[in-house]
Amino acid sequence: EVQLVQSGAEVKKPGESLKISCKGSGYSFTSYWIGWVRQMPGKGLEWMGIIYPGDSDTRYSPSFQGQVTISADKSISTAYLQWSSLKASDTAMYYCARAPRFSGWFDPWGQGTLVTVSS
Amino acid sequence: DIVMTQSPDSLAVSLGERATINCKSSQSVLYSSNNKNYLAWYQQKPGQPPKLLIYWASTRESGVPDRFSGSGSGTDFTLTISSLQAEDVAVYYCQQYYSTLTFGQGTRLEIK
Repeated sequence: EVQLVQSGAEVKKPGESLKISCKGSGYSFTSYWIGWVRQMPGKGLEWMGIIYPGDSDTRYSPSFQGQVTISADKSISTAYLQWSSLKASDTAMYYCARAPRFSGWFDPWGQGTLVTVSS
Repeated sequence: DIVMTQSPDSLAVSLGERATINCKSSQSVLYSSNNKNYLAWYQQKPGQPPKLLIYWASTRESGVPDRFSGSGSGTDFTLTISSLQAEDVAVYYCQQYYSTLTFGQGTRLEIK
């Protein structure tokens, strides 16, 4: 079974750093792209960026370029999303999802990681 | 960026009746070289991640009930649920992958 399992919920203070993870299993991790999608409380879906773990080719949404860093460690089939300095406005659910191409549909999705940033 | 606009924002339909959700893109998502529409539909139930229903505008994902169908081309698309079931209560999103990925704002589907 193809699965993406994300790391657990996080509670952080403004200005702190954070790295969340997404571990793939049941398929060749280096043959598909992994994208990240933000969902703010009660809101819709926003594409943040995407990485190809095979060669670490990474693309960012202009809205998120410079705000986050996407990376991957293919040796452990894990993709990451990180922030160097969190803001309260980063409070959201973050999903990873697999894509067949850098511009494609997402399937399956991870269960989501809730990030809460509050002083 | 291509802007995706869904209508209506919310919809209430009786069990067994047809539900129709529309999605309009600000520019065509039909790629002429392969005649494919770069559009997908997702279902998100409360407390769950989104689930892929349809890609290439009309190709149903494996395991998705055949009461779900997608249609349209160019800039105008429709997701149809032919006979609404209680388990179909969810928010539905369209997404274009013709260029920088963008989603519609979502349509909330409820039982009347």
